[in-house]
Amino acid sequence: NAGVTQTPKFQVLKTGQSMTLQCAQDMNHNSMYWYRQDPGMGLRLIYYSASEGTTDKGEVPNGYNVSRLNKREFSLRLESAAPSQTSVYFCASKRGRTSTDTQYFGPGTRLTVL
Amino acid sequence: GQQLNQSPQSMFIQEGEDVSMNCTSSSIFNTWLWYKQEPGEGPVLLIALYKAGELTSNGRLTAQFGITRKDSFLNISASIPSDVGIYFCAGPRIVQGAQKLVFGQGTRLTINP
Repeated sequence: NAGVTQTPKFQVLKTGQSMTLQCAQDMNHNSMYWYRQDPGMGLRLIYYSASEGTTDKGEVPNGYNVSRLNKREFSLRLESAAPSQTSVYFCASKRGRTSTDTQYFGPGTRLTVL
Repeated sequence: GQQLNQSPQSMFIQEGEDVSMNCTSSSIFNTWLWYKQEPGEGPVLLIALYKAGELTSNGRLTAQFGITRKDSFLNISASIPSDVGIYFCAGPRIVQGAQKLVFGQGTRLTINP
């Protein structure tokens, strides 16, 4: 099992450009998440998908959109990138909805917006 | 948004020393999680705590779920170079049927050989 995979690993964008971050998991998990990590801020939830076909906003959703393409894949889109979106983005997945289920994280995408 | 407060923010220690870090919250959590993140990687779960007062070990790591349910502690004994990384505490919240994780700011551990 590859677990949670993310592409690309690194990306540099100019202000106003758009891009989609891809995430896939092969653990047959129901829930998937997108976080951003900034220095001194820990991880903050952008969007999540509790199950296939549903998506909901997290703590910092502005400037982002998501698509739960199928059970395996959950993409994060930046329509018009801004320097404030420079960050490391992590995708995570979890089997169920209870607090005893563990979230597994991908390796991250490091995004720089100039 | 709601956040967990971790301390210290960073630690510089000698190899072989013991490490202690803690995490506090203004509200109660029913589960406490400790993650470790190595450079260029995503966080990996180290220890999960499910019961107030619980003390759980994973090798040289020991974590405790505070009796008030508002804090947790992580100890690393006899540190080695591979312990280097950022340690995060996290607590899950169930909101509208979905689990959201709230993270602390992290404790960055550096070890001098």
